[in-house]
Amino acid sequence: GQQVMQIPQYQHVQEGEDFTTYCNSSTTLSNIQWYKQRPGGHPVFLIQLVKSGEVKKQKRLTFQFGEAKKNSSLHITATQTTDVGTYFCAGSGANNLFFGTGTRLTVIP
Amino acid sequence: NAGVTQTPKFQVLKTGQSMTLQCAQDMNHEYMSWYRQDPGMGLRLIHYSVGAGITDQGEVPNGYNVSRSTTEDFPLRLLSAAPSQTSVYFCASRLQGQADQPQHFGDGTRLSIL
Repeated sequence: GQQVMQIPQYQHVQEGEDFTTYCNSSTTLSNIQWYKQRPGGHPVFLIQLVKSGEVKKQKRLTFQFGEAKKNSSLHITATQTTDVGTYFCAGSGANNLFFGTGTRLTVIP
Repeated sequence: NAGVTQTPKFQVLKTGQSMTLQCAQDMNHEYMSWYRQDPGMGLRLIHYSVGAGITDQGEVPNGYNVSRSTTEDFPLRLLSAAPSQTSVYFCASRLQGQADQPQHFGDGTRLSIL
């Protein structure tokens, strides 16, 4: 079955440091989505990448989709305490999304 | 719009008890799904539905039943609760039946089985 692996599982950073999480799929993905889940909350959609090599930015967040459409990354520049939470990637199957295991980000003030 | 509404928010059950987790959405989304979230394992798909009257199994369907009699509602039933079903359960919906649409999640149900 389709598998989406995500690393690292946890990341602690000082406020102002950068953060990156990586997502790898065992199969080629038609698209990839990223979600953020605040502590105690529910996942919230951030963005979708569709094209090979695509790069999208949302303020301090940069999302990339690999050339082979089997990997993706989320980079946060100069983290802030509001960035805390778990970041999930999710790859599309025929009908469903397959979520990665998530990266829990802690930002130390 | 309320979005996706899940009830209850918290529940404690004894082993062997049954219960139904409720999920309703007011966005006229055709696709609805149930996930469970466990530490270190991300979100795993339990069951999903691409429209009223249609349901199918996800990755971890054993011990759960679903039905979809209306577009709005997608309840999840635990037939005989087991401690392994202690988890946080999320219902999600999206527009149309294609996986490239963003999913909208409910606030979750935190379920403990003793």
